[in-house]
Amino acid sequence: QVQLVESGGGVVQPGRSLRLSCAASGFAFKTFAIHWVRQTPGKGLEWVALITYDGGHQFYSDSVMDRFTISRDNSKDTLYLQMNDLRPDDSAMYYCAKAIDKFCFGATCYHADHWGQGTQVTVSP
Amino acid sequence: SALTQPPSASGSPGQSVTISCTGTSSDVGEYYYVSWYQQHPGKAPKLIIYEMTKRPSGVPDRFSASKSGNTASLTVTGLQAEDEADYYCSSYGGRNTWLFGGGTKLTVL
Repeated sequence: QVQLVESGGGVVQPGRSLRLSCAASGFAFKTFAIHWVRQTPGKGLEWVALITYDGGHQFYSDSVMDRFTISRDNSKDTLYLQMNDLRPDDSAMYYCAKAIDKFCFGATCYHADHWGQGTQVTVSP
Repeated sequence: SALTQPPSASGSPGQSVTISCTGTSSDVGEYYYVSWYQQHPGKAPKLIIYEMTKRPSGVPDRFSASKSGNTASLTVTGLQAEDEADYYCSSYGGRNTWLFGGGTKLTVL
């Protein structure tokens, strides 16, 4: 069955960097766009970034633009999120989430049928 | 949050409850790509409605959704104890953005 397993979270000081990974299995990874979505404890969900199935296009929320980079290695069925210049308000549970439709592009990518269990990122002095 | 949901909702077992999700004419009002997610404490979100009204396989037909203007709604009929969870709406926001509501905590009395 579809599995998404995030890793790489931890405690980091403001201004430092962290790289998250999301290992996928149980589906044709290279044919699906994947999102990163974060959630602050007790608060709601916030979209972070999307990468298309082939890695050719990446899109970001305004809050992480120019600091975070989403990428993927389709030969390893793995998604990444490079987070630079981290701030305390980046502290959250980070989920990877698979788009529903194969080869989606544009609006059709913006819903997700499978989510990982998340990895916690804490930015603190 | 970009989309507005009531913070809480409740109902007794067997009753129906509706949760609203209000956006604007640039997101919920314009696009078909509204989805709803159920999240139990300590768990990942689970897709229960996509493309406004579709249910993934395995989601009970007690869950249904609709849209009127800039407001989407999720209705849960025949409430069961296991339906107690947080519910989040989302919508394509245009210009390659994805918007979420602040979430509604559903309590089964």
